[in-house]
Order: sequence, then structure tokens, then C-alpha cells
Amino acid sequence: AQSVSQHNHHVILSEAASLELGCNYSYGGTVNLFWYVQYPGQHLQLLLKYFSGDPLVKGIKGFEAEFIKSKFSFNLRKPSVQWSDTAEYFCAVRSGSARQLTFGSGTQLTVLP
Amino acid sequence: NAGVMQNPRHLVRRRGQEARLRCSPMKGHSHVYWYRQLPEEGLKFMVYLQKENIIDESGMPKERFSAEFPKEGPSILRIQQVVRGDSAAYFCASSPQRGTNTGELFFGEGSRLTVL
Repeated sequence: AQSVSQHNHHVILSEAASLELGCNYSYGGTVNLFWYVQYPGQHLQLLLKYFSGDPLVKGIKGFEAEFIKSKFSFNLRKPSVQWSDTAEYFCAVRSGSARQLTFGSGTQLTVLP
Repeated sequence: NAGVMQNPRHLVRRRGQEARLRCSPMKGHSHVYWYRQLPEEGLKFMVYLQKENIIDESGMPKERFSAEFPKEGPSILRIQQVVRGDSAAYFCASSPQRGTNTGELFFGEGSRLTVL
């Protein structure tokens, strides 16, 4: 069965610091990759997704992610975080013919003003 | 608001009671997914339904849990004889039918079940 690993459970940064959140998956076939964000008290929202083509994907709010097939990774990055980026971030994978997404355990990001 | 609607947002039940969680998908969406989020854990897939059909229930506990998505009305996740371990946030998501699917799931705000 496929799995998704997010190794950082809680990340604390100061404003303007750079962010990189790790995501690795375990599936050798074709995958679709997603990053979702959950702001406090809100529903999950899509940040960005990768289906095919350019492995560097740009999303909303200045986030980007790079798909590295050889490393089974899809790390999320942002050059300069803001206090409003405080939220929980989830990596998710869809593989093969599956319709549902498999999620990682999430990374709680706290940005200090 | 044409998003995914879940209710109730908060539900408190005593052990042994039944919990019913409802989900209305986004307009035009015919696929519904239920996920459970336990404290300190990620979202775990439970079940995937289309209208009147359960497509994949591989994540559903074998007992006490059931789901339906009738021809008319919302999808319902039903938990019978709740236990404390059922306390969690239950999220519903929807997507369009195959052929128009961008791959994205659209999530509701969740229903938080507390079992006393």
C-alpha cells in the first residue's frame, strides 16, 4: 500500500525565514501530488498540485514545490514566510487508478512575528 | 456558499449512542469521500462513494461504521454504538465526475465528534 511521509511534525520559523517542508511517498508508478493547507478553524485548501510536465510547480501565496521522481519527493518551499502562513500543511498522493488521496500526517507550521 | 457543507460542525455523544454526520457535496459534484483525522495524526481515508454506490470502503472499520450517498440528499456517515476512540474530526470531500476531474478534492470544514 502506498504511504506518504512528512518528517517534520512541527516547524517554528520567524517571519521572512525560508521554508522547506519535506514529503516523500512510496509508490513506483504514476502519481499525482498535492499540498493542502489547513488554517486554524478552516477547511483544507489546495495550495498546489503536480500532474505532469514541469516538475517545479507554483501555487498560491508564493508557495512552490518540486517533484523529484528519483527521490520520491515533493517538497514544499517558500522563500519568505509570513505570520499568516501559520497553519497545518498536508502532502497527499494519488496513485494509479485510485480516486482518493493518501495524506501524510501533516506539518504544523508556526511563524513568529 | 457553494462549497462542501458538513453538519453538524460539533457533535457530542455518550458511549453507546449513534452519531450521524452529513455531507452535501459541491454543486455538480457526484463523488464524495470521507476522511477521519485523529489527534496528532493525518487524514485517513475511510470511504469513497458515488450516488447510490459505495466505490471503495477499504478504510472503513469493519463494525459500527457505515456510509451512504442516496440519489437525493446528502451523504451520511453513520457510527453506531460510539466509543471514546471514535472521537475525531470527520472530513468530507467531493470531486466532479470522471472526465472533468482536475484531481483536486474539495473539502468541507469537518464535523468534530466527541464521545463522552
